[in-house]
Amino acid sequence: DAKTTQPPSMDCAEGRAANLPCNHSTISGNEYVYWYRQIHSQGPQYIIHGLKNNETNEMASLIITEDRKSSTLILPHATLRDTAVYYCIVRVAVGYTDKLIFGTGTRLQVFP
Amino acid sequence: KAGVTQTPRYLIKTRGQQVTLSCSPISGHRSVSWYQQTPGQGLQFLFEYFSETQRNKGNFPGRFSGRQFSNSRSEMNVSTLELGDSALYLCASSSGQDRYNSPLHFGNGTRLTVT
Repeated sequence: DAKTTQPPSMDCAEGRAANLPCNHSTISGNEYVYWYRQIHSQGPQYIIHGLKNNETNEMASLIITEDRKSSTLILPHATLRDTAVYYCIVRVAVGYTDKLIFGTGTRLQVFP
Repeated sequence: KAGVTQTPRYLIKTRGQQVTLSCSPISGHRSVSWYQQTPGQGLQFLFEYFSETQRNKGNFPGRFSGRQFSNSRSEMNVSTLELGDSALYLCASSSGQDRYNSPLHFGNGTRLTVT
């Protein structure tokens, strides 16, 4: 019951910006969008999250559309170490707590 | 600040046995969640603990259980192991305060192989 849709794979040249799209058309008003990435055999690494405003940190930028039905993760200068599976996740309320529902993610391949 | 630590890193067990996995959260984090990752099902939520209480549970059989101690460390137990339990088990911690706005931070997991 993933609430997000992402392309299965993308390529990006080293040094260029990587723009990873995500659709979350059924998102509710108080649900945040989270981005994680996972390199083989490691746990998911937190990247960034947001509710409705654009966000930026030292790793990436998150652009959320005004209707909140989609978002884009931007890695401004991709490096080979950014090759990973990127998950766009909606944090879903469950009773008085919540859980992350992971989809299948986007496999980003950064090439030299 | 040290990250989430999971032990052991790898484990091999036989069908019918039981196993206990351990997780030490980031210092100060009171919420610990467990996830199972398999190639076929992806990442699936198991349960979450906060201040020694289970707050939420995913759709897994009762063979999967957990607990949290007063120092926020958590253990997960799987009894009567089946071949299908082979997976990467991930633990994640967060402050648990402003829950939607508190990122979960994952450990590198325990790779369980059931033979």
